[in-house]
Amino acid sequence: NAGVMQNPRHLVRRRGQEARLRCSPMKGHSHVYWYRQLPEEGLKFMVYLQKENIIDESGMPKERFSAEFPKEGPSILRIQQVVRGDSAAYFCASSPGGNTDTQYFGPGTRLTVL
Amino acid sequence: GNSVTQMEGPVTLSEEAFLTINCTYTATGYPSLFWYVQYPGEGLQLLLKATKADDKGSNKGFEATYRKETTSFHLEKGSVQVSDSAVYFCALSAYQTSYDKVIFGPGTSLSVIP
Repeated sequence: NAGVMQNPRHLVRRRGQEARLRCSPMKGHSHVYWYRQLPEEGLKFMVYLQKENIIDESGMPKERFSAEFPKEGPSILRIQQVVRGDSAAYFCASSPGGNTDTQYFGPGTRLTVL
Repeated sequence: GNSVTQMEGPVTLSEEAFLTINCTYTATGYPSLFWYVQYPGEGLQLLLKATKADDKGSNKGFEATYRKETTSFHLEKGSVQVSDSAVYFCALSAYQTSYDKVIFGPGTSLSVIP
C-alpha cells in the first residue's frame, strides 16, 4: 500500500514564475491537507480539501495561492508569481475520513525561489 | 482557541540518556493527542497517540500519557539512541468550526551524540 506521494520532491523557480505542487493521497483516503514549513520553523496549516471541495482555507494567503482536489487525479497546490519568501517545504497529508484524526504525511516538496 | 505548546529546543543528549520533551495544550472538549517525528529531509510520521484521559501511547520505546488534569502529554524515552535524532511535534485534534482540526506545536529538535 503506497503512502502519500508528492512530486516533485524539489522544485526551483525564479521570481514571478508559477509553482505547481502535486499530492496523491493514500489509497482510500479522500481528505487532503497542505502545510508549509519554513526553515527552522514549525508546521503551518494552509488548506483542507475533500474531493472537489475546499473545507478550510483559513491558512492560505489570500493572494497568489490556490488549491484543488479534483474528482480524478492528485491534489494541486498552485503558487502564482512566486517570491523568495515562498521558499519552504510544502507537505501534504491525507486521512480516510473527516472524523479520523490521524493524518499520514508525504515526503514534502522543497520549493526554492531564486 | 486550541493550541499546543512545546519546550524550546534544540535538545542535545548523550546516547542512552533519558529524554523528556514537554507538551501542554489548550482545547475545548476532549481532544486526541499525538506525537509526530520528522527525520531530516523527510515528512512527519506518527509516533504515538492517545485519545482519552489517562491513556498511554507508546511506540519504539517512546511513551506519553494523556493527563487531563494538567493538560499535558509529555514525551519520554528511557534510553535514547543516535537514530532518535529528529524533530518531534506534539499535536492535538479537536472539533473546530465544522471538523476535527489538527493543531501542531512548533516542534522540538533533538540531537543525540554518541
